[in-house]
Amino acid sequence: DVKVTQSSRYLVKRTGEKVFLECVQDMDHENMFWYRQDPGLGLRLIYFSYDVKMKEKGDIPEGYSVSREKKERFSLILESASTNQTSMYLCASSWTETEAFFGQGTRLTVV
Amino acid sequence: DQQVKQNSPSLSVQEGRISILNCDYTNSMFDYFLWYKKYPAEGPTFLISISSIKDKNEDGRFTVFLNKSAKHLSLHIVPSQPGDSAVYFCAASSGSGAQKLVFGQGTRLTINP
Repeated sequence: DVKVTQSSRYLVKRTGEKVFLECVQDMDHENMFWYRQDPGLGLRLIYFSYDVKMKEKGDIPEGYSVSREKKERFSLILESASTNQTSMYLCASSWTETEAFFGQGTRLTVV
Repeated sequence: DQQVKQNSPSLSVQEGRISILNCDYTNSMFDYFLWYKKYPAEGPTFLISISSIKDKNEDGRFTVFLNKSAKHLSLHIVPSQPGDSAVYFCAASSGSGAQKLVFGQGTRLTINP
């Protein structure tokens, strides 16, 4: 069974804090993704990575950065959290030819 | 610009009847389409997919139809069951497989007993 694990289910952070969201997958997938889900907007791609140390911007990368030092781990970093980054964050991984598998999500609230 | 659109935010269906969820796309480069199901406070789970070389794919109670000329796909669930109540997302990608999926806004399906 494919497992994508996000380090936290719920997080509350203060405006201006640096926030790290961690994601680990155990299937040796080459691709990893970070999405955010907001009501009425569906899932929007923030960043994705197709190999270690490789990353590409998605549709809404502003205010975020990522790190992929090891194949199994993909981190999303909010350099200075703002209230408009309050959202559900979803990590996913895949082989190139298959569907993406998602983690359980992290509900981030920035106050 | 929303490249994948699900125009119905919600749908209510009687248990045992057919549920039809619709999805439209604008990017003609999309060649792989997927449906995901999402329960509250959980990540989306993969349901079914279809490649652009096909116009139908079936898996048990779930069938996906693709109309490339209309840039439209639909998910049929028959018969609908209470456990099918969830938010359904349509997604699309170009190139190969599931790289860089573009998602629709989602449709909340409620199955009434």
